[in-house]
Order: sequence, then C-alpha cells, then structure tokens
Amino acid sequence: KQEVTQIPAALSVPEGENLVLNCSFTDSAIYNLQWFRQDPGKGLTSLLLIQSSQREQTSGRLNASLDKSSGRSTLYIAASQPGDSATYLCVPLNQAGTALIFGKGTTLSVSS
Amino acid sequence: GAGVSQSPSNKVTEKGKDVELRCDPISGHTALYWYRQSLGQGLEFLIYFQGNSAPDKSGLPSDRFSAERTGGSVSTLTIQRTQQEDSAVYLCASSPTGVAYGYTFGSGTRLTVV
Repeated sequence: KQEVTQIPAALSVPEGENLVLNCSFTDSAIYNLQWFRQDPGKGLTSLLLIQSSQREQTSGRLNASLDKSSGRSTLYIAASQPGDSATYLCVPLNQAGTALIFGKGTTLSVSS
Repeated sequence: GAGVSQSPSNKVTEKGKDVELRCDPISGHTALYWYRQSLGQGLEFLIYFQGNSAPDKSGLPSDRFSAERTGGSVSTLTIQRTQQEDSAVYLCASSPTGVAYGYTFGSGTRLTVV
C-alpha cells in the first residue's frame, strides 16, 4: 500500500528565501507524480505533473524533481513570496482506478 | 467547462436532514473521485468512478453515504440523516482516462451540520 511522507510538516520563512519541500513514497511503481497547493478552506490547485520518465518539471519559480527508484520527489520554490503561503501536497499516481494517496503535506508560511 | 465545478460551495444543514452535493467534471474526463477533508485533517478517499465500470465505493464511511454518476458526467454525493461528524469540505476531482494527465480538483463544498 502506498504511503506518502512529506518533510517538513511546517515551514516559516521570510520573503525571498529559496525553499525545498520533500516528499517520499513507499511504492515506486508509479506512472507520474503531481504536486498541488491548497489554500485554507479551499480546493487543490495543480502545480506540476511529472511523468515517471522525466526527472524534472519547471513552472515559473517552481521546480519539481522526481527520483522514482528511490521514491522521492522534491519541490523547489525560488524567491518565495507571501502569496506562496499554503499547504503543499505531493501525490504519486499509481495505475488508473486506484485511490489517490495523500500525505499530510507541508504547510508553508512566508512573511513579508 | 473549464474546470471541475462543485455546488453548492457552502451548505449548512440540520442534523438528521439529507443533503446532496454535486460535481460537474471537466467535459470528456472519464475518471471522477470524491474526497472529504475534515478540519485540520488530510484528504479521505470516498468513492471513485471510471467510465461505465462499477464504482469503487470502498472509502464510503457508512451506508448513509451514496453517490451516483449519470451519463458518465455529473456526479451527486448524497448523505442521508446527516450527523455532526459529517461536517467537512467535500472535494471532487476528475481526470481523462488513465493517470498520464493528472487530476483536476474542484473548489469543494463546505458542509456544516448543526
């Protein structure tokens, strides 16, 4: 059964810092991995989708890497801004038809 | 539509009443999931629909919960005889066939049982 761990659980930083959020998963037989952000009381917004054949995916100030064999993914946020404050969730995607497995996420707070 | 649409966005109901929550997936998306998130908690899987296949109902917490998906598109989650512990945000997600494209979530329905 897939289990997802995200470290750290919470992170508070001043504006402008570069950040690394870590995700590990136990079942490496994944097709791809998706990173989401969730604002308090809101739904999930997709940030990046990394195919299992890829090593990295970039969108603006966000860069996600995937090491499928070791069961790890990293989300790098450059030059953090207060608007980046949210909970970040990584979701490894196994075969179609299985429940999406969520970790507890990393709650980020960026102060101005 | 452009995204996954959920309605209502907020629902307050009295304990013991029935409620219906609606999810309109992105047009053409064959996979549809329902999750719920209680205050301060992670996402809990409820039910999964894929095309015309029988749904995976393994996450439904009790027989008071049911869901249907009509015509492979719109889905309705029904909670009968609501209890206070049913208070949560109910999220719907959809995806094209397979996992290659990732999932798109709606904004959720916040259900409060008083």
